[in-house]
Amino acid sequence: KAGVTQTPRYLIKTRGQQVTLSCSPISGHRSVSWYQQTPGQGLQFLFEYFSETQRNKGNFPGRFSGRQFSNSRSEMNVSTLELGDSALYLCASSVGSYNEQFFGPGTRLTVL
Amino acid sequence: GEDVEQSLFLSVREGDSSVINCTYTDSSSTYLYWYKQEPGAGLQLLTYIFSNMDMKQDQRLTVLLNKKDKHLSLRIADTQTGDSAIYFCAETEEGSQGNLIFGKGTKLSVKP
Repeated sequence: KAGVTQTPRYLIKTRGQQVTLSCSPISGHRSVSWYQQTPGQGLQFLFEYFSETQRNKGNFPGRFSGRQFSNSRSEMNVSTLELGDSALYLCASSVGSYNEQFFGPGTRLTVL
Repeated sequence: GEDVEQSLFLSVREGDSSVINCTYTDSSSTYLYWYKQEPGAGLQLLTYIFSNMDMKQDQRLTVLLNKKDKHLSLRIADTQTGDSAIYFCAETEEGSQGNLIFGKGTKLSVKP
């Protein structure tokens, strides 16, 4: 069974731009969660989607948004990029909201 | 709010046992997980334990949970150089869909 895939793997943007990251969950998984990983703050939860609905949201500004499609694939969008948005963005999928999460390799975003 | 604490570094010799410790504050934690992250990679789920269990063994891995002290440990028997990585403890609870609370991670170095 293929694992969680994330595209692109690396991205370089400049301040003020926007970016869209994509995540394809493991086949049959309906829950997708997004996390931001930075050296200073560690791993922080962004949001979780289940059956195209956002079920839970972390403490991030409204510049961070996401959506989930009917095939469970998910995208997250960051608008008006700031230097502090440079991070590894990880996507995780699970069968349901309370099951163990399986992570993708991440998208490394660098904001210049 | 919820908090998960881990020591930052652990160094062991190849063949020895490694014990990585974690404490958490949320008494309603329901599921506790151990993830491994190698350089440049996403998170790999190693094992998990439900809060109504005391111990779980999976090949070289043993997880011990002391719910009274809110203390979780991961023991790796016969540690190999390939076990060198960062290990994250994480917890979640009922009603907190898809939201894992992570510790800062313990960097395990295995010396030959």
